Amino acid sequence: DQQVKQNSPSLSVQEGRISILNCDYTNSMFDYFLWYKKYPAEGPTFLISISSIKDKNEDGRFTVFLNKSAKHLSLHIVPSQPGDSAVYFCAADSNSGYALNFGKGTSLLVTP
Amino acid sequence: EAGVTQFPSHSVIEKGQTVTLRCDPISGHDNLYWYRRVMGKEIKFLLHFVKESKQDESGMPNNRFLAERTGGTYSTLKVQPAELEDSGVYFCASSLGLGRGTDTQYFGPGTRLTVL
Repeated sequence: DQQVKQNSPSLSVQEGRISILNCDYTNSMFDYFLWYKKYPAEGPTFLISISSIKDKNEDGRFTVFLNKSAKHLSLHIVPSQPGDSAVYFCAADSNSGYALNFGKGTSLLVTP
Repeated sequence: EAGVTQFPSHSVIEKGQTVTLRCDPISGHDNLYWYRRVMGKEIKFLLHFVKESKQDESGMPNNRFLAERTGGTYSTLKVQPAELEDSGVYFCASSLGLGRGTDTQYFGPGTRLTVL
């Protein structure tokens, strides 16, 4: 039973434009959300996180938005760069502190 | 600072054989996790160690999988006997603590296991 869903397997964006990656979750106990970025043959790398007490967290070009009522979060990358091309995983946990629940990932391609 | 390392990077074995995967966490990280990604699916949690103790092994698929972390340093994950459905990428991660702000999990590059 998948509790974190990324319904877009892939996304293509032009360099300089905004990339928006979406994630939905079903477990109302989740209170901490993370985005990981993964390049081929490497492990996922932590990108940005957000606690359920916030609705926005920003770090440079990356902003995560959380809509608790809709059980939806999104990652915005502005401006997108070719080096951002990777698979992005949404993950969540429920204050257990450990077992991350991942989505299937969205493959982002940023074209020059 | 060295990251999480995993060995081997690839392993190809036949059904019924045994394979042992190794993970070396970031030095000083008490928490070590194993995850698995089967092709086309999400990354799934397998288990969590705090030092040498298994904190949670609720994600282990069945008793063909055995994880150990003797001495609280590196960890091994043994699959015996391997089945076709065990194929996938096995990731190890480690974190310093469990509280928010210290619980960021750092992942290794993974071991790609192929069972023929």
